[in-house]
Amino acid sequence: NAGVTQTPKFQVLKTGQSMTLQCAQDMNHNSMYWYRQDPGMGLRLIYYSASEGTTDKGEVPNGYNVSRLNKREFSLRLESAAPSQTSVYFCASSRNRGNEQFFGPGTRLTVL
Amino acid sequence: LAKTTQPISMDSYEGQEVNITCSHNNIATNDYITWYQQFPSQGPRFIIQGYKTKVTNEVASLFIPADRKSSTLSLPRVSLSDTAVYYCLVDTGTASKLTFGTGTRLQVTL
Repeated sequence: NAGVTQTPKFQVLKTGQSMTLQCAQDMNHNSMYWYRQDPGMGLRLIYYSASEGTTDKGEVPNGYNVSRLNKREFSLRLESAAPSQTSVYFCASSRNRGNEQFFGPGTRLTVL
Repeated sequence: LAKTTQPISMDSYEGQEVNITCSHNNIATNDYITWYQQFPSQGPRFIIQGYKTKVTNEVASLFIPADRKSSTLSLPRVSLSDTAVYYCLVDTGTASKLTFGTGTRLQVTL
């Protein structure tokens, strides 16, 4: 089992560009999460998905959109990147909300 | 948003017991408390989870007092490889109220 995989590992964007971060899990988990972690800071929830086709805003959703098209995959889209979105993005999954979360390796995004 | 606070950093010698406390004064009745460990350039990794009193697994113990407004992660006999950042998580069941603590950077030396 690969667990939680994320692509890409690194990305540099210019202000205003768009991109999609991909996340997939092979553990048959229902819940999936997108977090951002700024340097020296804790994790903040961007979006949460309880199941295929459902998503909920987290603490910091502005500037992001998500898509949970199937049980395995949960993507995060930046429509118009801003320097304030420079961060490390982690995807995670858990059997259900409140269970142990398994994290991916992260995507390091820099917006110039 | 519920505030979850931890000490910024702690130092310990190898072989000592380390206790890291998390304050979560707005915890709700059904919330669980979970602790994660994070090494540089990696995603967090689950350590332990509990609801009340005491929980123990092969790597740590978690102590939760009766009022549940705080919790303490106990790492017995730490080693150099336990140097990491430790986060507590209180999940109140709604997406916007999943709150990681501020993180405690543990440095273990010989």
